[in-house]
Amino acid sequence: EVQLVESGGGLVQPGGSLRLSCAASGFTFSNYWMTWVRQAPGKGLEWVANIKLDGSEKYYVDSVRGRFTISRDNAKNSLYLQMNSLRAEDTAIYYCARQSYGDYSNDYWGQGTLVTVSS
Amino acid sequence: SYELTQPPSVSVSPGQTASITCSGDKLGHKDVHWYQQKPGQSPVLVIYQDTKRPSGIPERFSGSNSVNTATLTISGTQAMDEADYYCQAWDSSSVVFGGGTKLTVL
Repeated sequence: EVQLVESGGGLVQPGGSLRLSCAASGFTFSNYWMTWVRQAPGKGLEWVANIKLDGSEKYYVDSVRGRFTISRDNAKNSLYLQMNSLRAEDTAIYYCARQSYGDYSNDYWGQGTLVTVSS
Repeated sequence: SYELTQPPSVSVSPGQTASITCSGDKLGHKDVHWYQQKPGQSPVLVIYQDTKRPSGIPERFSGSNSVNTATLTISGTQAMDEADYYCQAWDSSSVVFGGGTKLTVL
């Protein structure tokens, strides 16, 4: 059974940093692109970033480029999101999702972890 | 940047057909995926590559995509289908979601 479990969310002050983790199991992690998607309270889904199988390609939404870094450790079956210079508008539930083989859809999602940026 | 436009809300009576649209420039040339999200839950993929259903998704869910509009159709809508629905597409190394449509089953 495919499982994705996020952790690392919490309350952080504006300008602060946080590192999210996603532990994957039930599939060969190194064979799939992985994605972070976020959802602000009461709002829609927003794609944040994705990363290629071996980490050699990474793509970001404009609003986080230069502040967030996506990475992975295939030996640990783990995905990460390092978030720096956090702003109030980064407050959201952050979901880890597996990208389907051959297209950009996300066939499995974690339960999400809440990040709150507030003083 | 590329934009996908969805109606904020759609209402349907139980047993009837619900259609949720997603509009974007030359969207028919792109693969469109659809997600269902119920309150307090993670999104679930219900249609991928315009028309395909993942395993476990009921046959009443179907999709189409032509020219500038993709459509998610739910035939014989049930109360359990009440949820938010999001379309998704890829453009220029970036993934884009529509704003979401709240489906109400009255």
